Amino acid sequence: DGGITQSPKYLFRKEGQNVTLSCEQNLNHDAMYWYRQDPGQGLRLIYYSQIVNDFQKGDIAEGYSVSREKKESFPLTVTSAQKNPTAFYLCASNIYGGATDTQYFGPGTRLTVL
Amino acid sequence: GENVEQHPSTLSVQEGDSAVIKCTYSDSASNYFPWYKQELGKRPQLIIDIRSNVGEKKDQRIAVTLNKTAKHFSLHITETQPEDSAVYFCAARSNSGYSTLTFGKGTMLLVSP
Repeated sequence: DGGITQSPKYLFRKEGQNVTLSCEQNLNHDAMYWYRQDPGQGLRLIYYSQIVNDFQKGDIAEGYSVSREKKESFPLTVTSAQKNPTAFYLCASNIYGGATDTQYFGPGTRLTVL
Repeated sequence: GENVEQHPSTLSVQEGDSAVIKCTYSDSASNYFPWYKQELGKRPQLIIDIRSNVGEKKDQRIAVTLNKTAKHFSLHITETQPEDSAVYFCAARSNSGYSTLTFGKGTMLLVSP
């Protein structure tokens, strides 16, 4: 899991601003995922991508957008339309359709709206 | 879609005791069930997983059991140690659609010395 990096570690946003969270992996994984974690809520899937230039909405996609222009990168934009963006955001990746389904997580970005 | 329920939400044990965390899932097509451990402020890390063609799997002090008929699976930790204190998440992956993981809400395990 050391092959997945997220930046920044902490991010502060004013209301009405869009912010972009970075996720990069050098594991040659096909699939990448974004999760949101709130206390007592577990991990909820925001968006995922199984190949370059393709992505699907997860359970809580409203107010978020993503792109997948390169296999190694899957940035997440938290838009001003997201009503309650303060949370811990985790990126993950795995080999889609491979012998192992293990998802490896990045270290996370903690976003706080001021 | 898949729904995963996890119990209990918190669990306190004495060092050396066993701990059991239980999860149920709704989609009978689910075929992969990982367990993750997350320490405070850190990333979740896989500790053990099981596939639907296996009923039990062990790794030292950790074991997972799966009952496909009842659609539930459990994590067993024996001889608990203070460093086992963390939040544990179960998850299930459906074999239909895009095969994403659905997570339970987590169990905070506290092991007291």
